[in-house]
Amino acid sequence: EIVMTQSPATLSVSPGERATLSCRASQSVGNNLAWYQQKPGQTPRLLIHGASTRATGIPARFSGSGSGTEFTLTISSLQSEDFAVYYCQQYNNWPRTFGQGTKVEIK
Amino acid sequence: EVQLVESGGGLVQPGGSLRLSCAASGLTVSSTYMSWVRQAPGKGLEWVSVIYTGGSTYYADSVKGRFTISRDNSKNTQYLQMNSLRVDDTAVYYCARGLAFIDSWGQGTLVTVSS
Repeated sequence: EIVMTQSPATLSVSPGERATLSCRASQSVGNNLAWYQQKPGQTPRLLIHGASTRATGIPARFSGSGSGTEFTLTISSLQSEDFAVYYCQQYNNWPRTFGQGTKVEIK
Repeated sequence: EVQLVESGGGLVQPGGSLRLSCAASGLTVSSTYMSWVRQAPGKGLEWVSVIYTGGSTYYADSVKGRFTISRDNSKNTQYLQMNSLRVDDTAVYYCARGLAFIDSWGQGTLVTVSS
């Protein structure tokens, strides 16, 4: 099983600032990596797939990069609605596995 | 617009059974890879099962031999039959569209396994 490790566990950011979230895979997943956003009490929402392709309707302030074992989700200028938990997920192998999440909170 | 509506969750004793349903609209379950993903209270996400368009299935090791995914094409509905439930199966179960990544999620149904 591929283990996905996200860092940091919590990221404190002021509105308007840049947020950088990391995700590391225990073995190469190529670019088969997705990012999701989940707000409290809500369903996860797909943000990024293919490591860097924004899903339909996702604002351009969200960008993904990386390949192999190291990935990054960048939110260029945090808006109030972006404070949430973010998960990465690999789909190179079965079982599909998720990271434990990074909570982005208001500083 | 895709809509996935789960039902069938509830409180069950350890060793018991439940069947979750997911009524789909805006897509055809027989021609879509459909999955179940769960989230234990306050925890992360776990991919539980998927049914391929051809009918093949996949299960996480944690549920293999206990859970069965299926679909009824005439009702455009997928199911998750859960047997021999354990306390650690307690979670919100999401019906989802996707084989690689999930691009549509239901609102989820809570399954609580407790004596």
